[in-house]
Amino acid sequence: DTGVSQDPRHKITKRGQNVTFRCDPISEHNRLYWYRQTLGQGPEFLTYFQNEAQLEKSRLLSDRFSAERPKGSFSTLEIQRTEQGDSAMYLCASSLGKFSGQGRFGKNIQYFGAGTRLSVL
Amino acid sequence: KQEVTQIPAALSVPEGENLVLNCSFTDSAIYNLQWFRQDPGKGLTSLLLIQSSQREQTSGRLNASLDKSSGRSTLYIAASQPGDSATYLCAVTMEYGNKLVFGAGTILRVKS
Repeated sequence: DTGVSQDPRHKITKRGQNVTFRCDPISEHNRLYWYRQTLGQGPEFLTYFQNEAQLEKSRLLSDRFSAERPKGSFSTLEIQRTEQGDSAMYLCASSLGKFSGQGRFGKNIQYFGAGTRLSVL
Repeated sequence: KQEVTQIPAALSVPEGENLVLNCSFTDSAIYNLQWFRQDPGKGLTSLLLIQSSQREQTSGRLNASLDKSSGRSTLYIAASQPGDSATYLCAVTMEYGNKLVFGAGTILRVKS
């Protein structure tokens, strides 16, 4: 496995259309994260999953945004009724979080994909 | 709410110079801190991770230090090369496996 894969790499859409992005994490990684990055800024957290459970959603994730991770493998991020303000790079990351009865171990480093650049016209 | 600030926003240096990038965070109760590199239009590559109990980490020409109590970290790059040109991002996490909170980054240009 070569890393986190995101598809498509670029998406151009008209305002009001729906778009869906896909992220394939590193195999066996149980955590998957979505971030959004606008020009000149650092990535901002959107949501994350542990296996198929969505554990946290940012307030940035309005009702028009939905994310899923069926069966705890790949994830999709859908944006409905896109707006020009949705134009950004959408980054996916995955990590292997190790939890046991004695606590948590491992560094849980997040590995990032190359991102999907969305342009809303 | 945790806020991460990086100074300077941009830096241009001649090849061979040693340089320091700064990162500060408002809530010192972090779990760990990471430095990432981002090339134009690309994703992020993790460079160094420092656990909250550690003071520094080294990888090749890179050295990152952490002063948790004062909310500061520095990334030291020795003998800079044109290939080091990229955006360097600092990020902290407050809990194991939780989200990363990023600074806006420092854009580095190393001139040959």
